[in-house]
Amino acid sequence: AQSVTQLGSHVSVSEGALVLLRCNYSSSVPPYLFWYVQYPNQGLQLLLKYTTGATLVKGINGFEAEFKKSETSFHLTKPSAHMSDAAEYFCAVSDDTGGFKTIFGAGTRLFVKA
Amino acid sequence: NAGVTQTPKFQVLKTGQSMTLQCAQDMNHNSMYWYRQDPGMGLRLIYYSASEGTTDKGEVPNGYNVSRLNKREFSLRLESAAPSQTSVYFCASSTQGFNQPQHFGDGTRLSIL
Repeated sequence: AQSVTQLGSHVSVSEGALVLLRCNYSSSVPPYLFWYVQYPNQGLQLLLKYTTGATLVKGINGFEAEFKKSETSFHLTKPSAHMSDAAEYFCAVSDDTGGFKTIFGAGTRLFVKA
Repeated sequence: NAGVTQTPKFQVLKTGQSMTLQCAQDMNHNSMYWYRQDPGMGLRLIYYSASEGTTDKGEVPNGYNVSRLNKREFSLRLESAAPSQTSVYFCASSTQGFNQPQHFGDGTRLSIL
């Protein structure tokens, strides 16, 4: 069965600092992995996705994530945080054993300090 | 481009009342989903519709029913609301298949007293 663990329900960084949000997954078959962002009072928006091919995936707003099969990880990074990055971030996994079901992590709220 | 539209945005119900949450998408997507979001629990799938004419239970279907009215519309019904159903409800859609990203509406904030 699929599962997703996001390490840290809250992460705080200073503006200009590196952003690192951690995600580990479990899947019995090659997974499809996603990162979504949620701003207050809005729905989730896709940041980036990994399906097949290159393991380093670039997304919107300067974010990227690397798929590491050996570590079952898909951590999200951004070299330099901006105040507008403050939001909640969700990692999600799908595979063909779950039909049309995608499993979401519990989310990590990112705070950016001036 | 509207994307996924949910109505209403806010609702307060009394225990035992019924209501239907509406969702419509204009992206010609085949698959649609209903989730609930509770603090610290991420999103949990209530029901989904892989394509027009089909619906299936997700992780937390008890107390809910759905209707895929046509390709655009997918409604969620609470027949007898309970305080445990207080939550934020999101509708989403995708082209088709588990490897496609989902597009979300802005949610319905539902409180049951």
